[in-house]
Amino acid sequence: AQSVTQLDSQVPVFEEAPVELRCNYSSSVSVYLFWYVQYPNQGLQLLLKYLSGSTLVKGINGFEAEFNKSQTSFHLRKPSVHISDTAEYFCAVSDMVGGGADGLTFGKGTHLIIQP
Amino acid sequence: KAGVTQTPRYLIKTRGQQVTLSCSPISGHRSVSWYQQTPGQGLQFLFEYFSETQRNKGNFPGRFSGRQFSNSRSEMNVSTLELGDSALYLCASSSSGSSTDTQYFGPGTRLTVL
Repeated sequence: AQSVTQLDSQVPVFEEAPVELRCNYSSSVSVYLFWYVQYPNQGLQLLLKYLSGSTLVKGINGFEAEFNKSQTSFHLRKPSVHISDTAEYFCAVSDMVGGGADGLTFGKGTHLIIQP
Repeated sequence: KAGVTQTPRYLIKTRGQQVTLSCSPISGHRSVSWYQQTPGQGLQFLFEYFSETQRNKGNFPGRFSGRQFSNSRSEMNVSTLELGDSALYLCASSSSGSSTDTQYFGPGTRLTVL
């Protein structure tokens, strides 16, 4: 079984400032890692994913995340945010062993609020 | 390619009724997963279908069921609705059903149980 913890339920940031959204996971097996974004009244959209290789992963809209196996973390970063980044961000894991049949395990989400 | 579509987008039902939600995956995708999203519990995995077979089910009561058709379209059914079933139900599709696949989500069906 896996679990995902997003430590901050809400993160207010000024426009053009950098931001980091934190994600830690716990699992008895190896996992793949994902970040999704949800805009109001919409479904989820993939920002980036870590499967293997370089621990620094670049995604869409200028986001990147770093996988740290020893700290079981996968924090999301953006060097300069825009008003349009206001949304709910979800960290998720999938089980390498069980395959896609087990679905994604999500964190509770972090609401990113961009202040002008 | 058209994205994942879900119908209806909004539903209002009363306790005890049953409801059927529909999901059309991206063309060529064979795996469909369903999730329930609530403010209290967040996003929770309901079940996953691949080539018309349910491969796994999350920790939900038997009132929640689903199926997948030969064209990969999927439906989920909730019988004997309870107030706590009010939620956004999201459907996601992926091409091969592998855990490395990107899951593409639909806009969801907002179910309100009165």
